[in-house]
Amino acid sequence: SAVISQKPSRDICQRGTSLTIQCQVDSQVTMMFWYRQQPGQSLTLIATANQGSEATYESGFVIDKFPISRPNLTFSTLTVSNMSPEDSSIYLCSADRQGARNGYTFGSGTRLTVV
Amino acid sequence: GQQLNQSPQSMFIQEGEDVSMNCTSSSIFNTWLWYKQDPGEGPVLLIALYKAGELTSNGRLTAQFGITRKDSFLNISASIPSDVGIYFCAGMTQGGSEKLVFGKGTKLTVNP
Repeated sequence: SAVISQKPSRDICQRGTSLTIQCQVDSQVTMMFWYRQQPGQSLTLIATANQGSEATYESGFVIDKFPISRPNLTFSTLTVSNMSPEDSSIYLCSADRQGARNGYTFGSGTRLTVV
Repeated sequence: GQQLNQSPQSMFIQEGEDVSMNCTSSSIFNTWLWYKQDPGEGPVLLIALYKAGELTSNGRLTAQFGITRKDSFLNISASIPSDVGIYFCAGMTQGGSEKLVFGKGTKLTVNP
């Protein structure tokens, strides 16, 4: 099984709806992050998912649009709310499975298309 | 905010050729990472560098952490078709949240 699994792997959603993406890690981790990768672009950090407290958002991303949960040390969710076509992207979860100093491991991503 | 300038943006090479790509920044990083992303997948870590001047190899891949801590390069020797993909550099600062900043990527095409 994947070390970091994301569900769904892809989805096509209607504008105005919301989608919740799940990220499950196969071991307890300290750090979990959510990224957005727009078509043909690099990865942009959305937020750090903090266990037991509110997520820390990067500039340009807000909790109302991208609410994040992290109920324990192996699981996190990202919700993309009130979607518009501009939200069509790949959303990626990552975690420090082998300690932050060894870089971060990424899930395979969720490819979201908003129509 | 911190930015990484990665070049070249794309490369088209023949199988067997060597490849070199690099990243520079105006900021200092304490860790440099190189990732490869295949279509439909998340990035996979290739090499991690922790000390200025460090030179590290992973098979046909060699990467170096620049002395100034503001740059890094990745070399691929004797390229093969499965090297095709997008290569990203990433820098990590210490202290605080230990977040990654990514370069814009180098898209590598290898012609058999």
